[in-house]
Amino acid sequence: AQSVTQLDSQVPVFEEAPVELRCNYSSSVSVYLFWYVQYPNQGLQLLLKYLSGSTLVKGINGFEAEFNKSQTSFHLRKPSVHISDTAEYFCAVSDSRTKTSYDKVIFGPGTSLSVIP
Amino acid sequence: NAGVTQTPKFQVLKTGQSMTLQCAQDMNHEYMSWYRQDPGMGLRLIHYSVGAGITDQGEVPNGYNVSRSTTEDFPLRLLSAAPSQTSVYFCASSNDRASGNTIYFGEGSWLTVV
Repeated sequence: AQSVTQLDSQVPVFEEAPVELRCNYSSSVSVYLFWYVQYPNQGLQLLLKYLSGSTLVKGINGFEAEFNKSQTSFHLRKPSVHISDTAEYFCAVSDSRTKTSYDKVIFGPGTSLSVIP
Repeated sequence: NAGVTQTPKFQVLKTGQSMTLQCAQDMNHEYMSWYRQDPGMGLRLIHYSVGAGITDQGEVPNGYNVSRSTTEDFPLRLLSAAPSQTSVYFCASSNDRASGNTIYFGEGSWLTVV
């Protein structure tokens, strides 16, 4: 079974500063990894995902994440944040071995990013 | 381009009442699911469906029923509401059972049980 840890429940950062949101996962098998973003009073939407290939994944709105298999991490980064990046960010993991794992997408508890003007 | 549509957006129930959260998607997705979101716990899967007429339990199914009579609709029924069911509920869909596929979410339904 997989699990996801997001070590920071809240991350305040000043506008135009860089940010890193940390995600670590636990799994005994190969995985797919995701970052979803939830803007206030909205549903979640996909920010980026790692399925295979290059370990550096670029997503929407200037975000990127790097898959580190040895450290079982998938940290999300942005070099310069904007006020509009204020949102809840969820890391998620799923088993990549099988085609029937839809129900096994495991979400982390979320990190609340607050961008300060 | 509606995507996943949920109603109602807000609802207050009294303990013991029943209600149905409606969900519809217009993307012809095979997979649909219901999650609940609670502070500090992320999203937890309640029920899911792999196609019309097929449903299965997720991580936290107790107190909820679902049915899937059409590809488009996947209502969630609370049989006898309890304060522990106060939460934000999200309907979601995906176009394939492969676990690497993107999940599309509705905007959420805020439910309070008093």
